[in-house]
Amino acid sequence: DIHMTQSPSTLSASVGDRVTITCRASQSISKWLAWYHQKPGKAPELLIYKTSSLESGVPSRFSGSGDGTEFTLTISSLQPDDFATYYCQQYNNHSPYTFGQGTKLEIK
Amino acid sequence: EVQLVESGGGLVQPGGSLRLSCAASGFTFSNYWMSWVRQAPGKGLEWVANIREDGSEIYYVDSLKGRFTISRDNAKNSVYLQMNSLRAEDTAVYYCARERAYNYGLFDSWGQGTLVTVSS
Repeated sequence: DIHMTQSPSTLSASVGDRVTITCRASQSISKWLAWYHQKPGKAPELLIYKTSSLESGVPSRFSGSGDGTEFTLTISSLQPDDFATYYCQQYNNHSPYTFGQGTKLEIK
Repeated sequence: EVQLVESGGGLVQPGGSLRLSCAASGFTFSNYWMSWVRQAPGKGLEWVANIREDGSEIYYVDSLKGRFTISRDNAKNSVYLQMNSLRAEDTAVYYCARERAYNYGLFDSWGQGTLVTVSS
């Protein structure tokens, strides 16, 4: 199975900050990497797919990059609505699909 | 509008069984792979199982093989998860999720989840 590791686990930041979350895969997944965010008590929502493609309706302050085993999610200017938990997920192989452990983005 | 509505969760004793349902609407259900993903309280996301559009291919996470069974009924626009021999560690919110067409494993729509609690 492909193991996904996110860092940091928790990130404290302020509105307007630029933040970056890293996701590493235990083996190459080419560009088959997605990012989701999740607010307490809610289902995850897709933000970015295929490493850098923005899901419809997602603000352009979100961006993704990477290839192979190392990937990043960047939020260029944090907004109040962005404070949530972020998960990366690989979908390189048909199964099993695996997620990172999550990064909780908190208000500083 | 795509809608996925899970039901069937609840409190069950260890060793018991439960059948979860997910009713889909707003899209042509028979054209999509469907998955179940779970989340233990305060923990991350774990993919559980998925099923091909016509039910002819099914995959499970290795740790659950033999205890959980995924199925679907395209006439009812529904996907199911039969869970047997439940353990405390199966306690979680169970989400059904649609996999984007031609992007297997990319979950573009999620239900609100149904909570399964395994406890005596």
